[in-house]
Order: sequence, then C-alpha cells, then structure tokens
Amino acid sequence: EADIYQTPRYLVIGTGKKITLECSQTMGHDKMYWYQQDPGMELHLIHYSYGVNSTEKGDLSSESTVSRIRTEHFPLTLESARPSHTSQYLCASSPSGVLDTQYFGPGTRLTVL
Amino acid sequence: AQSVTQPDIHITVSEGASLELRCNYSYGATPYLFWYVQSPGQGLQLLLKYFSGDTLVQGIKGFEAEFKRSQSSFNLRKPSVHWSDAAEYFCAVGAISGDKLTFGTGTRLAVRP
Repeated sequence: EADIYQTPRYLVIGTGKKITLECSQTMGHDKMYWYQQDPGMELHLIHYSYGVNSTEKGDLSSESTVSRIRTEHFPLTLESARPSHTSQYLCASSPSGVLDTQYFGPGTRLTVL
Repeated sequence: AQSVTQPDIHITVSEGASLELRCNYSYGATPYLFWYVQSPGQGLQLLLKYFSGDTLVQGIKGFEAEFKRSQSSFNLRKPSVHWSDAAEYFCAVGAISGDKLTFGTGTRLAVRP
C-alpha cells in the first residue's frame, strides 16, 4: 500500500478564488507528478519534479503552478480558479530509477462554479 | 510521439467469466508498458508492468498481460472475473528517454452477478 496523500478530496469553490491542492508522500521518493483527469479521458501530465527545487511542465498546458521545497511535499496552486479548471487532479510519486512504478494518491475532485 | 489506444470504452462481463481488455500502443522503440486499475473514488493502482524478458507478465489480483510486438498490443486478461474487479482500467506506455507515462482513455469494466 503506497503512502501518498492528497487533500482535500473534494473541493467546490467560486470563480476567482486562489486554491492549493496538497500532495504528500512518506516513501522518500524523488520523483513526483501531477495529472489532470476528466471523465472518460486519459490522464494528462501537467507537472512533474525530479527532486527538491526541480519542477517541470508536463504535456498538457496548465495555468496551475507547483513547488517542491521538501522531498515529501508537492503542492499545486491555482491563483484564480475558473470553471474550466473543474477536473480531477491526481498526484503520484516514484523512486529514482528509470520508469519505476508510479504510486498514486486518491485524487482531488475540484469543481469551480 | 508515443500513444496508447484502448478501443473498448465499456465492457460488461458476468461474474466468473473470462476477461480480456485490449491495449494497442504506438512507439518507435521497445516500449515500457503498464496496466493500472482505478476503483471509484480512488487513485490508480499498478496491476503489472512489462519492461523486457518474458512476454507474458503476471500481476496482482490474478491478472496477466501479454506483450505482442508484432501486433503492438499489450492486452490484459483474467480467467475468472470477480465482482470486486469492477473498476476502470488504464493502459500506459513509457519511454526510457522521457521517463514519463502516456495513458490510454481507459476501459470501464462492469461485472454482472
């Protein structure tokens, strides 16, 4: 059982609000990822990190930003939420090896009204 | 660029029946292939993965998958489905150079009693 946590699990918020989705892992993994998942669609990588102070944009353009100040913590921030940001956001982590298994958190379902 | 196709959006099988979920990939070199399962309200859990060697891969929960290079396929199978197998199944391909996964759109499995 992987130890990766996401809070909140569900969030309903109004347009224009700033939000931060939390992701933490206790496995000491260097690599962490954020995916966006819409119903019936594939997961799209929006951000990833190879370690502390490392952040990269993924394949899908996103208005969100991330930070990696501590190994175990990889929060995602939206400065001004819009209805188009409504989606499920999944966080994952993996060890340092090439294409090691990614362990996923339970996800945050975000609804922007 | 790598891509994954899961041709079946929904599949319904009776409990105890056999199951095969299809996955086709597109990638120029030897792919790294994964199957993940997502239960409602949960994150993704790795079922099995193929990197090299024996083309028949055994995973957790009684699942197996067979890599067929000539058909660019990595189909997931289970000889006898249980009601608890009802979930969404995602196939993914990774490239050693990019260290990122590309996911298919998923297949939703329903199990009839």
